Amino acid sequence: KNQVEQSPQSLIILEGKNCTLQCNYTVSPFSNLRWYKQDTGRGPVSLTIMTFSENTKSNGRYTATLDADTKQSSLHITASQLSDSASYICVVSSPSGYSTLTFGKGTMLLVSP
Amino acid sequence: SQTIHQWPATLVQPVGSPLSLECTVEGTSNPNLYWYRQAAGRGLQLLFYSVGIGQISSEVPQNLSASRPQDRQFILSSKKLLLSDSGFYLCAWGLVGTVYGYTFGSGTRLTVV
Repeated sequence: KNQVEQSPQSLIILEGKNCTLQCNYTVSPFSNLRWYKQDTGRGPVSLTIMTFSENTKSNGRYTATLDADTKQSSLHITASQLSDSASYICVVSSPSGYSTLTFGKGTMLLVSP
Repeated sequence: SQTIHQWPATLVQPVGSPLSLECTVEGTSNPNLYWYRQAAGRGLQLLFYSVGIGQISSEVPQNLSASRPQDRQFILSSKKLLLSDSGFYLCAWGLVGTVYGYTFGSGTRLTVV
């Protein structure tokens, strides 16, 4: 069964600090892995997309890594800001079929002043 | 550029009343369209997906139905709402065979009272 597990479930950090969110998956076959940021009451917004050949992808203060061998990904947030407070969702896609996204349950990040 | 519109943003409906949520996509042709429901702490659940006009696949048996009357329009409906239909509903679009897409709408918060 395809699964995406994210950790931690929730996290509180001080403004300006760095943090790393984890995503482990058992999805097969693998096509790509995406990280989304979802503000409360809004739809998810894509941060990064990585295929199996990409080890790292950056988007501003967000850096995602992917280890296709161990089926692990991380999202590193540098110099956190209050606006980073949101849920971060890891999504893994398979290449076949039309409903082939497997979603993690997300990590709820709260950046405290 | 592609955009996705979803409305209304919030909706409060009595039990037994009908439902109609609409989603439209601009800037792309023949997208795959998806309806998801998001419950607190449970992640995103795929409800319906559509690969073309009039083509609807249901992932979870429920009190809801979906229709695609036009290429870029996707509608989520119910004849009689249940309390358990309350939740956050998201529309998304994607393109088969590409890395990109899977862009989400802004969501509809449905409360059945």
